[in-house]
Amino acid sequence: IAGITQAPTSQILAAGRRMTLRCTQDMRHNAMYWYRQDLGLGLRLIHYSNTAGTTGKGEVPDGYSVSRANTDDFPLTLASAVPSQTSVYFCASSVRLARYNEQFFGPGTRLTVL
Amino acid sequence: QQQVKQSPQSLIVQKGGISIINCAYENTAFDYFPWYQQFPGKGPALLIAIRPDVSEKKEGRFTISFNKSAKQFSLHIMDSQPGDSATYFCAATLTAGGTSYGKLTFGQGTILTVHP
Repeated sequence: IAGITQAPTSQILAAGRRMTLRCTQDMRHNAMYWYRQDLGLGLRLIHYSNTAGTTGKGEVPDGYSVSRANTDDFPLTLASAVPSQTSVYFCASSVRLARYNEQFFGPGTRLTVL
Repeated sequence: QQQVKQSPQSLIVQKGGISIINCAYENTAFDYFPWYQQFPGKGPALLIAIRPDVSEKKEGRFTISFNKSAKQFSLHIMDSQPGDSATYFCAATLTAGGTSYGKLTFGQGTILTVHP
């Protein structure tokens, strides 16, 4: 693999179900991010991780949790999905959190919560 | 609170024309302003970026104009081509300190369509 992979590509989920979106990068980047993309709202940061073992809250963290057990993986979990979490989710990474670092994005996961 | 406001939401341009997308920010501490380009079904990718110590940056047909006093910056696409049809996002961040440190705040996005 090269870059960032996300799984699944798309998912339809019943409200109240638990769901984990997977993200893996092979660039050995320290920082990773989860965004949701909604029409008219742009990309909004959900959670981020500066380095393995640390996580932080972004702009819209409620209803989501993340973990960073190692450098490569950064899963996003919806503990009990609600329809307002219907969105396209992007994982991204950068060399470091700070300074002028380019963020590299994965292909996205389209999630529909019914 | 939308700290970066982008307009227009959509833009239609004829081939060869100039596409202009505008962004305004609120946090005067922002000190790095990238633009990302997103093709349908793909993740965004960095297109061009500017630091506030310059008023303009040009890369090929793409130019960022920056007005620090007005807290505004814009993307100009010269000689627009159908292959430029994509969604464009402006963004802003802090590179040293503050709650937005190292994290991008994105604008709402502009869907650009370039007709042949």
